[in-house]
Amino acid sequence: DTAVSQTPKYLVTQMGNDKSIKCEQNLGHDTMYWYKQDSKKFLKIMFSYNNKELIINETVPNRFSPKSPDKAHLNLHINSLELGDSAVYFCASGSGTLNQPQHFGDGTRLSIL
Amino acid sequence: GQQVMQIPQYQHVQEGEDFTTYCNSSTTLSNIQWYKQRPGGHPVFLIQLVKSGEVKKQKRLTFQFGEAKKNSSLHITATQTTDVGTYFCAGTGTASKLTFGTGTRLQVTL
Repeated sequence: DTAVSQTPKYLVTQMGNDKSIKCEQNLGHDTMYWYKQDSKKFLKIMFSYNNKELIINETVPNRFSPKSPDKAHLNLHINSLELGDSAVYFCASGSGTLNQPQHFGDGTRLSIL
Repeated sequence: GQQVMQIPQYQHVQEGEDFTTYCNSSTTLSNIQWYKQRPGGHPVFLIQLVKSGEVKKQKRLTFQFGEAKKNSSLHITATQTTDVGTYFCAGTGTASKLTFGTGTRLQVTL
């Protein structure tokens, strides 16, 4: 059983399009995250939700909008995609507070043409 | 904001050689975690250190947390090709959230 699953695994689309990435965890964790990993492998946190409530919102363009329908799901919608959005997006989950070990999904590789 | 830097950025070793990556934070940390990301994979949690001066071992891997709780290291003894990947430290600072380090990419050749 996959603990943190993301779909799709790959996303190739054109500039200006809108796309969504979905994430689900079956670990019973309270906290979920979205990270962006660029070509240099830097892992930057974008958002974090705890029990459906937004608790971290880093400096991210408002074209990115997370949504957590319940504590097991955290989706990411991106409007008006730009070339600079090309990256791997990882979903992760952790128990309790923000400083606990995190379990990552396999990632979504987003390529903007 | 909190910054966590790792050195080296990249290291290439021959199988059997030792490897060390160093993690330095701009602020005091309440804990430090280490993750490994294989090429094409996702970060996988390895270990967490909490106490000042703490040392933990996992087979050939030795993890240390500095006395001042601002730095940490990961040492791999006698590297194997299965050790290839990027190693990240991640520390919790005053904002009580985890900040990932810049990562060290390890390449091991026969």
